[in-house]
Amino acid sequence: DAKTTQPPSMDCAEGRAANLPCNHSTISGNEYVYWYRQIHSQGPQYIIHGLKNNETNEMASLIITEDRKSSTLILPHATLRDTAVYYCIVRVEGNKLVFGAGTILRVKS
Amino acid sequence: EPEVTQTPSHQVTQMGQEVILRCVPISNHLYFYWYRQILGQKVEFLVSFYNNEISEKSEIFDDQFSVERPDGSNFTLKIRSTKLEDSAMYFCASSEGWDTYGYTFGSGTRLTVV
Repeated sequence: DAKTTQPPSMDCAEGRAANLPCNHSTISGNEYVYWYRQIHSQGPQYIIHGLKNNETNEMASLIITEDRKSSTLILPHATLRDTAVYYCIVRVEGNKLVFGAGTILRVKS
Repeated sequence: EPEVTQTPSHQVTQMGQEVILRCVPISNHLYFYWYRQILGQKVEFLVSFYNNEISEKSEIFDDQFSVERPDGSNFTLKIRSTKLEDSAMYFCASSEGWDTYGYTFGSGTRLTVV
């Protein structure tokens, strides 16, 4: 089972920041938090990952709380093309990703 | 940007037939994976493959499934005798390293078993 909890859906206005929360209260010290998204039935797309420190790349920012029990993915200027299912994943033992149900983000004009 | 390529994009097969789904991972990646997603359900891990052998597999990946890297570029998933419940999107993925690397997924093969 997935080690994360996410809201089932969120709406965001186009051009505004989308802040997607994720709870992972049972995360271990060496487990990374990954974010992927899936648009329609396409293959999941890697967004970002982090361990302790906040991370930023060209797609998004990842804010991880100091106790590492939760994190927030930030899309700074959401566009209609960012409408997708967003998955927060804690990578457990081994090399597999366990996907939960994710958050359906709807960006509206 | 490098891509993982999957063929065919859609395959229809009769129950009991064998199917082979093909993938070309990113060239410098060392780890390869298959996932599947039944319509309306979660993405599920099937198998990971490294150094020409399976490194991990799920309960779904039973004796009907096999993977192979027949040459330096292709990575295949074979289902020996398809069942109706094998109908799903099958995603191939690859990664450069283990554990701290993101995967790159392909666009998937939609398998329909009739």
